[in-house]
Amino acid sequence: QSALTQPASVSGSPGQSITISCTGTSSDVGGYKYVSWYQQQPGKAPKLMIYEVSNRPSGVPDRFSGSKSGNTASLTISGLQAEDEADYYCSSYTSTNSLVFGGGTKLTVL
Amino acid sequence: QAQLVESGGGLVKPGGSLRLSCAASGFSFSDYYMTWIRQAPGKGLEWVSYISSTGTNKYYADSVKGRFTISRDNAKNSLYLQMNSLRAEDTAVYYCARDRTISGWFDPWGQGTLVTVSS
Repeated sequence: QSALTQPASVSGSPGQSITISCTGTSSDVGGYKYVSWYQQQPGKAPKLMIYEVSNRPSGVPDRFSGSKSGNTASLTISGLQAEDEADYYCSSYTSTNSLVFGGGTKLTVL
Repeated sequence: QAQLVESGGGLVKPGGSLRLSCAASGFSFSDYYMTWIRQAPGKGLEWVSYISSTGTNKYYADSVKGRFTISRDNAKNSLYLQMNSLRAEDTAVYYCARDRTISGWFDPWGQGTLVTVSS
């Protein structure tokens, strides 16, 4: 199973909005509702930010939102804050009863 | 509050074996699927294996199939990963996580345990 495709890096200024894409195929992202997003701060375990394409766990700010169109899922962070600087990963269920991650995107807050 | 704590990592020679453990607390362990995920130094996340809530169904990434075995003991609220025939490319931080099914709803994650395969 090939990794999902994410941009290596994105950046934005405080207060701005950014979007991170996650592209797969009809056998993963495009075929199922099980797309998730995780935030990983340096030296720490990842944290769930979005599940089932667009649902936020309790405690995650509503500045974080998710969506999907065809084989591409997206994570949007609005009102960017310095604390949002981290690595972000997407994942998807696949047709072979497995899970695949994206390669990760480094978000820099300018 | 749900919590997961991994243990068992360390330095092992190529071809060697290691058994990782993940102790769960703060939730009904037997109600959830559990998974192992790894992250090589400076690299991204890689899914390794899933086990169903009863332990009946197990799923593996192609990269570890035939070498790794996932198991659980619901009476002890514990998850395990037996790793055999280890290779240098298995060097990574190994995380355990809770899931509702095979969905990626990983909440929470453990703190991770480092496995280093080197001669």
